[in-house]
Amino acid sequence: GNSVTQMEGPVTLSEEAFLTINCTYTATGYPSLFWYVQYPGEGLQLLLKATKADDKGSNKGFEATYRKETTSFHLEKGSVQVSDSAVYFCALSDGGEKLTFGTGTRLTIIP
Amino acid sequence: DAGITQSPRHKVTETGTPVTLRCHQTENHRYMYWYRQDPGHGLRLIHYSYGVKDTDKGEVSDGYSVSRSKTEDFLLTLESATSSQTSVYFCAISEFAGDNQPQHFGDGTRLSIL
Repeated sequence: GNSVTQMEGPVTLSEEAFLTINCTYTATGYPSLFWYVQYPGEGLQLLLKATKADDKGSNKGFEATYRKETTSFHLEKGSVQVSDSAVYFCALSDGGEKLTFGTGTRLTIIP
Repeated sequence: DAGITQSPRHKVTETGTPVTLRCHQTENHRYMYWYRQDPGHGLRLIHYSYGVKDTDKGEVSDGYSVSRSKTEDFLLTLESATSSQTSVYFCAISEFAGDNQPQHFGDGTRLSIL
């Protein structure tokens, strides 16, 4: 079956640091890949997505590249802000109705 | 923001009591989903619906039932709540199924079963 493995958290960084959150996946076929973000007390929001190999998703300064050869979709941001503190979820869709989520990575940015 | 309202937002109840959570959408989307969120597990799908009166099980459906009598409402019922069902429950919607259709989430219901 499908699975998503995310970097264990929590992750704590200083403001303006470089961020990487690792995500690898197992799936049959050619899934689409997503990053969702959850701010405290809220539901998940789509951050970015990529639907085929070598696609790069980007939004709000975050980027992730769909790497089929390494089955990875790592999330990066060049300079994080305090407002980026949240929980980040990697997810995949195999084209059906369902999403498979990773366990989430809690990110805290210190001023 | 997608028009999704979950009710109640918080609930505390006792083991063995029935509990119903409601998800209401104003987007007229076909697909609706119920997830639970637990530390170390991320989000796990409980049940989903692909139309009025059309539902199917997710990976953690035991102990839960759902109903969808109208496009806009999707109800999740715990017939006899247990402490293991203490969790945060999220409803999500999507217009279509498939790779390019992101799901939009409600703000969640925090359920505590004592």
